[in-house]
Amino acid sequence: QAVVTQEPSLTVSPGGTVTLTCGSSTGAVTSGHYSYWFQQKPGQAPRALIYDTGNKSPWTPARFSASLLGGKAALTLSGAQPEDEAEYYCLLSYSATRVFGGGTKLTVL
Amino acid sequence: EVQVVESGGGLVQPGGSLRLSCAGSGFTFSDHYMDWVRQAPGKGLEWVGRIRNKADSYTIEYAASVKGRFTISRDDSKNSLYLQINSLKTEDTAVYYCVRDIYWGQGTLVTVSS
Repeated sequence: QAVVTQEPSLTVSPGGTVTLTCGSSTGAVTSGHYSYWFQQKPGQAPRALIYDTGNKSPWTPARFSASLLGGKAALTLSGAQPEDEAEYYCLLSYSATRVFGGGTKLTVL
Repeated sequence: EVQVVESGGGLVQPGGSLRLSCAGSGFTFSDHYMDWVRQAPGKGLEWVGRIRNKADSYTIEYAASVKGRFTISRDDSKNSLYLQINSLKTEDTAVYYCVRDIYWGQGTLVTVSS
């Protein structure tokens, strides 16, 4: 089974910019992986921020954007806010399965 | 408003069985693929499986870790999704989420313990 890799933790300053990445053990991540990005805060259900590589959910703040970058899926947060401190997960689709990354704990400090 | 609401979780002994349900509302349930995702306490998200819609022959896919013990089904006439879990193990302890694309329920907790 494919392994999906994320940075375990990242720190960003308030107002700063940070990019989270999502790689696949099978090779480059492409639009065919229909990548999703989720945000989860403690005690809450995950919330989808991005679907199908770069499309935003209706509730996704404008400061979040996503793309493919250097063979990985990437989530960029521009102008970080304290409320963006959370765990972020990516999800990739393969031919007969879907696999989550291990998550990135984002600290806004 | 799109909603998915899980039910059926609880405390079960190892080796037991459980059926989780998910009720969808606010959308045409039969049009959509539906997924189950779980999260063990303090751990990350794990995709459990997916059932496609009628147009795609209700094809089902499972994560390798649950294949053979978990069965996903749906009843479009009741706008409902199901997850049958057999031969429960302590490592199946988790919150189980029903997911439609970007819409998640609040989850139902399954605890496997003697």
